[in-house]
Amino acid sequence: QVQLVQSGGEVKKPGASVRVSCKASGYIFTDYAISWVRQAPGQGLEWVGWISPYKDIANYAQKFQGRVTLTTDKSTSTAYMDLRSLRSDDTAVYYCARAGSGWPTAWFDPWGQGALVTVSS
Amino acid sequence: DIRMTQSPSSLSASVGDRVTITCRASQGIDNYLAWYQQKPGKVPKVLIYAASTLQSGVPSRFSGSGSGTDFTLTINSLQPEDVATYYCQKYNSAPQTFGQGTKVEIK
Repeated sequence: QVQLVQSGGEVKKPGASVRVSCKASGYIFTDYAISWVRQAPGQGLEWVGWISPYKDIANYAQKFQGRVTLTTDKSTSTAYMDLRSLRSDDTAVYYCARAGSGWPTAWFDPWGQGALVTVSS
Repeated sequence: DIRMTQSPSSLSASVGDRVTITCRASQGIDNYLAWYQQKPGKVPKVLIYAASTLQSGVPSRFSGSGSGTDFTLTINSLQPEDVATYYCQKYNSAPQTFGQGTKVEIK
């Protein structure tokens, strides 16, 4: 079955960087884009960006431009999200999610289990 | 960017009631609209995509309708296991914005 397994939670200090990984299985990794979505405690869902593993093309939400980089490793079917210059309001659960169809901006299905990133001094 | 506005923000209904959640896009998005369910402490899961296509495995009491700017998610005969927050999302192009969510509780 299609599955996305994310790395564990992280605690970081303000100004630091964090990398969250998302290992895919059960499908051809390069056939579907991976998106990243975050959810601050008690808040709604916020789209961060997507990456196409086939072409290594990424598209970022304007809010995160310059602070986030999405990459993939096709040899291990793993997607990565790097977020820099962390602030306290970056504290959130970060999800990866696969596009539901071959189009990079398709709906999301399935989702990873989420990784809690806590930013605190 | 296109904004997605859901209403109501929360609702309380009885088991067996019909529940309707609306989602309005600030510009037309054809039928590029998905609905997600997020149960407390759980990962979101897609219920409906293309505005009205039910995802495999989702109970038939869930249905979606709409096109352009106005969309509706309906739960026919609300069940206790439907307690969750529901989000709409536009996906015609980036940014793939979500609505703010509608929390559904049992009265």
